[in-house]
Amino acid sequence: QKEVEQNSGPLSVPEGAIASLNCTYSDRGSQSFFWYRQYSGKSPELIMFIYSNGDKEDGRFTAQLNKASQYVSLLIRDSQPSDSATYLCAVNTDNDMRFGAGTRLTVKP
Amino acid sequence: DGGITQSPKYLFRKEGQNVTLSCEQNLNHDAMYWYRQDPGQGLRLIYYSQIVNDFQKGDIAEGYSVSREKKESFPLTVTSAQKNPTAFYLCASSILGQGDEQYFGPGTRLTVT
Repeated sequence: QKEVEQNSGPLSVPEGAIASLNCTYSDRGSQSFFWYRQYSGKSPELIMFIYSNGDKEDGRFTAQLNKASQYVSLLIRDSQPSDSATYLCAVNTDNDMRFGAGTRLTVKP
Repeated sequence: DGGITQSPKYLFRKEGQNVTLSCEQNLNHDAMYWYRQDPGQGLRLIYYSQIVNDFQKGDIAEGYSVSREKKESFPLTVTSAQKNPTAFYLCASSILGQGDEQYFGPGTRLTVT
């Protein structure tokens, strides 16, 4: 069974700080990795995807992938209260997408 | 506006009744998916379809049925055989298949009493 693990949180950071969200996966052959943001009562919204080892930046968001260690992380710089949400990690292995249970992030003003 | 729509947003049913959830997309995506989300759990795949008139079971297909008669539409029926139907149901689509980025509709919250 392919697994995607995330710390459920809650992770609490002050406004303006860097929030670091982590995700580990069990299948070494996984090819693509996605981060979704889900506000309470709403559907997931795609933030970032990454396919290659290293960092990928988009505005205040940076996705980091380390295939050797089988983890992917999401950094949010200059965190804002509006970033408070649950962040879901999704991992694709041979066209089989698996989602983690999510990490709840709270950004305190 | 391109996107995925689901209706209704909230649905209430009595136990023993079948209910059909609607999902429509105008993104011209080939693949469509149905997920179920329960509190504290990740998304679990119910069914997916990569082409019209074809679909495959996901991890938790028992008690559910789908059809894909048009590219734009992928309705989900929750049957009375589904033991714990109360959940948040999410429809998604992607360009080709599961390996692509998936985009979600707003969801339908089903409550069965």
